Amino acid sequence: GDSVTQMEGPVTLSEEAFLTINCTYTATGYPSLFWYVQYPGEGLQLLLKATKADDKGSNKGFEATYRKETTSFHLEKGSVQVSDSAVYFCALSDNSGAGSYQLTFGKGTKLSVIP
Amino acid sequence: DVKVTQSSRYLVKRTGEKVFLECVQDMDHENMFWYRQDPGLGLRLIYFSYDVKMKEKGDIPEGYSVSREKKERFSLILESASTNQTSMYLCASSLYTNTGELFFGEGSRLTVL
Repeated sequence: GDSVTQMEGPVTLSEEAFLTINCTYTATGYPSLFWYVQYPGEGLQLLLKATKADDKGSNKGFEATYRKETTSFHLEKGSVQVSDSAVYFCALSDNSGAGSYQLTFGKGTKLSVIP
Repeated sequence: DVKVTQSSRYLVKRTGEKVFLECVQDMDHENMFWYRQDPGLGLRLIYFSYDVKMKEKGDIPEGYSVSREKKERFSLILESASTNQTSMYLCASSLYTNTGELFFGEGSRLTVL
């Protein structure tokens, strides 16, 4: 079945540091890929997405590129802020038809940014 | 703004009690979902519904049931709560089926004593 593996946290960075959160996936077809973010005390919200190979999703200074050859979708940000402290989830949507209602989530990576 | 509202942010129940978690969305979305979120396990799908009165089991349906009598409302029911159902429960909705764009509520943290 489909699966998503992301780096374990927690990750602690100083403000303005470079962020990378690794995400790799296993899927039978050609999935769409997503990063969701959960700020403290809130539900998840979509951060960015990519629907086909070599697509780059971007939002709020975050970027991730859909790499089919390495089955990866790593999240990056050039300069993190304290307000980026949150839990980040990588996810995929199976577009093959079967199970296409469902998202498969990674376990989440907690990011803490210190001033 | 789109909104998914979960009726209770925090609940404390006793073992064996029947528990209802309510979720309402105001976006006229077809699809609704219930997940539970546990540390180290991420999000796991309990049930989902793609139409009124329709429901499908997710990955961990045991011990849960759902009800969707109206399009905007999706309820999660724990018939007899147990301590291993202590968790954060997240409701979500989506307009389209396989786009992966879910809108989440803020979550309901359930503690079963």
